[in-house]
Amino acid sequence: DAGVIQSPRHEVTEMGQEVTLRCKPISGHDYLFWYRQTMMRGLELLIYFNNNVPIDDSGMPEDRFSAKMPNASFSTLKIQPSEPRDSAVYFCASSPTGSSGNTIYFGEGSWLTVV
Amino acid sequence: GQSLEQPSEVTAVEGAIVQINCTYQTSGFYGLSWYQQHDGGAPTFLSYNALDGLEETGRFSSFLSRSDSYGYLLLQELQMKDSASYFCAVRGGATNKLIFGTGTLLAVQP
Repeated sequence: DAGVIQSPRHEVTEMGQEVTLRCKPISGHDYLFWYRQTMMRGLELLIYFNNNVPIDDSGMPEDRFSAKMPNASFSTLKIQPSEPRDSAVYFCASSPTGSSGNTIYFGEGSWLTVV
Repeated sequence: GQSLEQPSEVTAVEGAIVQINCTYQTSGFYGLSWYQQHDGGAPTFLSYNALDGLEETGRFSSFLSRSDSYGYLLLQELQMKDSASYFCAVRGGATNKLIFGTGTLLAVQP
């Protein structure tokens, strides 16, 4: 299996620009998660989906962040407008229903720098 | 809400045994997991405990006590490649979400 695929792997953008991060979960997985990792705040859950439906978005920092999952094989996390404090590694992860969501498989991450 | 506490750093020597502790608070509990993350890499799943007791997977073991809201990861026969960050994670709360601790940086010395 190809694993969770994220793009872009690295992005440097200027403050105020729109950033779109993309994720393809492992085929057959029903859960999809977006996490953000920084030195200060660790691994934070931003939002997660079950069967393409957002279940918990309480971790989304503010209205500048939005996430969608139009189908079972694709999700996006959008930041508009971006700010320097959004600089972080953004991980997408997925898990199958059988694991009860405790075993999740992470993508390699999208390293975002906002200058 | 949910919260987890684990030590920030642990140092040990090759061949030794190290234990990384984790205490958690959550409303509703569906299991305690452990993940390993090497510098610059993605977290990878190590083990999961839903019930009290010890789960063993090769050199790694994980323990859970639900009554104490406590678990630990035990790494035996430490190798240099075990140098990494280790995260405990708990699934719970009203929406059954998976929340990670702040991570323990393990440094294995020769």
